[in-house]
Order: sequence, then C-alpha cells, then structure tokens
Amino acid sequence: QKEVEQNSGPLSVPEGAIASLNCTYSDRVSQSFFWYRQYSGKSPELIMSIYSNGDKEDGRFTAQLNKASQYVSLLIRDSQPSDSATYLCAVRGPSGGYQKVTFGTGTKLQVIP
Amino acid sequence: DAGVIQSPRHEVTEMGQEVTLRCKPISGHNSLFWYRQTMMRGLELLIYFNNNVPIDDSGMPEDRFSAKMPNASFSTLKIQPSEPRDSAVYFCASSSRTGIGNQPQHFGDGTRLSIL
Repeated sequence: QKEVEQNSGPLSVPEGAIASLNCTYSDRVSQSFFWYRQYSGKSPELIMSIYSNGDKEDGRFTAQLNKASQYVSLLIRDSQPSDSATYLCAVRGPSGGYQKVTFGTGTKLQVIP
Repeated sequence: DAGVIQSPRHEVTEMGQEVTLRCKPISGHNSLFWYRQTMMRGLELLIYFNNNVPIDDSGMPEDRFSAKMPNASFSTLKIQPSEPRDSAVYFCASSSRTGIGNQPQHFGDGTRLSIL
C-alpha cells in the first residue's frame, strides 16, 4: 500500500465548475497535510496547508481533512483554465518528530474552457 | 526574501561523468530536502538534512549518490559516475520549524539532468 495515494487523472472539469481532488494516507499519526500545485515544467508550489479536522478555506480553494478516515481533499471553486496543473498531496509525520514529508504521485487537472 | 536557489538549471552530460547539483536554502530555514522527480515514480525524497546533519538518506538510490551540507546556506548532491537512468528533475526544498506546527517546504526551480 502506498503511503499517500491519489488518482492520477486526468480529471477534466468545465470552466466555472468545482474541481474535487482526493488523497488518502496510510500513517495514522500524520499531523500536517499540504496541497501543492505543479505546472508542467515548473516546481511544486504550496497552495494550502491543513492541520486540524474540518475545512479550511482560502479564496477559491478549500482543503478538507478527516483524520479518522485518513482522507484529505482539495476543492477548487469556479475552476479556471489557469488551474490546469498537477496537484500533489503531501503528508508529514508528528510535529515533534522527524520532518519527512511523503508526496503522492499527483492528480492532473484539466479545466476545459 | 529570495527563494530556494538551485544551480545549474539544466545539465547535460555523458554517462560516467561526475555531476554536482547545488542548492542554497531560504535564509533561516533549518531543514533541507533533495528530491528526484520522474514521470514514472513521481517525487521521491532522496535525503533530508536538519541543522546541516543528514537525518534520513534512505532514499538515496545507491552509493553513486552522495550529498553534503557543509553549512546552513549550501548543499550539494553529487552523482559519480552518472548513468542514463539518473536522468530526472532534481529539486531542492527547505523548511523551518517555528512555533507549534510544522512548516511546509519551499521548492527551488529544479535542475533538469540529462545523462546521455
């Protein structure tokens, strides 16, 4: 079982729709969760971080975390063609310990104009 | 603030040659990570330094790979001898530990390495 799993996609959504990206993780003691966006040929760019169960909103982006289900998601409202990229889910272990971050393989999002 | 700086941006060399990749983390960050990214395997952690000390090098593929961090503002990843299967994009990232929570990693622009 992979430590962090994502559907590779591509996920195609029409412009203006809500894009829903999902991620599951295997380590129950994970404490920090991040979503990175990576445009083709570019480096990963942090867009959201979440540490507590529930929702966290930032502009058009909402991260959702459910530690009991070991599930984290990213919602993108009013999707734009510029949102077309690969989205990487990243999970980090307990705050007091080793800082290792494990990345999923990413979900490719295509927003169709 | 300047971000993570990597050099070179592109490197093309022949099999068997030594390759050295360089990274300058964000000032004040005490954790540094080297990653390799390929289409097949995604983003893989190679090695992680905390306060200039290697903490986890379990991702280093084999003895041909080595990494150093002689001070808080500089790190190198060396491949000797290089092989075609080492072709990938190599990213350096840094982060800090401030307050209660863990801080996210900030990535450099990467080095696109091609071994012929």
